[in-house]
Amino acid sequence: EAGVVQSPRYKIIEKKQPVAFWCNPISGHNTLYWYRQNLGQGPELLIRYENEEAVDDSQLPKDRFSAERLKGVDSTLKIQPAELGDSAVYLCASSVGMADEQFFGPGTRLTVL
Amino acid sequence: AQSVTQLDSQVPVFEEAPVELRCNYSSSVSVYLFWYVQYPNQGLQLLLKYLSGSTLVKGINGFEAEFNKSQTSFHLRKPSVHISDTAEYFCAVSGITGGGNKLTFGTGTQLKVEL
Repeated sequence: EAGVVQSPRYKIIEKKQPVAFWCNPISGHNTLYWYRQNLGQGPELLIRYENEEAVDDSQLPKDRFSAERLKGVDSTLKIQPAELGDSAVYLCASSVGMADEQFFGPGTRLTVL
Repeated sequence: AQSVTQLDSQVPVFEEAPVELRCNYSSSVSVYLFWYVQYPNQGLQLLLKYLSGSTLVKGINGFEAEFNKSQTSFHLRKPSVHISDTAEYFCAVSGITGGGNKLTFGTGTQLKVEL
């Protein structure tokens, strides 16, 4: 069974540039999560989707971050414009339902210069 | 709201020695508890979880953890570590509030197994 797929694995950009991350969850998983993991910290939830609906985006900085999950399958997380403090690993996870085990992708390591 | 404290940021241990990684949590509601492992440049992998029932939980790779409600702890143990256990370990809690499995993670413990 294929796991959660994320791309790109690494991204280096200049500050004020836009960037996008893509996630393809495990087939049949209705719930999708985006986490941000700062260096030396645990992951922090940014947004959670139930199918195509964002059911928890309270931690998403909406002035510069946006996300979408069209058709309730894969998802894109965007930052525009990026700031130095956005350097982190962005993890995507999926689960069958909101109360089920979450499976994590390998993450995208973003470096903002 | 809930929080997780992992007091040890790094734990060095010799191969074949026992290890315990500490985790304490706080929550105003009943919780589910988890331990995840993260190898370099990889995502998180679930080691074990406590949902209900027996307070001693066995997971993959020979790890186990014990839920202690009175001490609000969920320490991870392994009787004999291997060099391949070198990784970052995260404790996580999810409040049972009907709002789904919203995980709150600790800051992680780096386990370094030495020969």
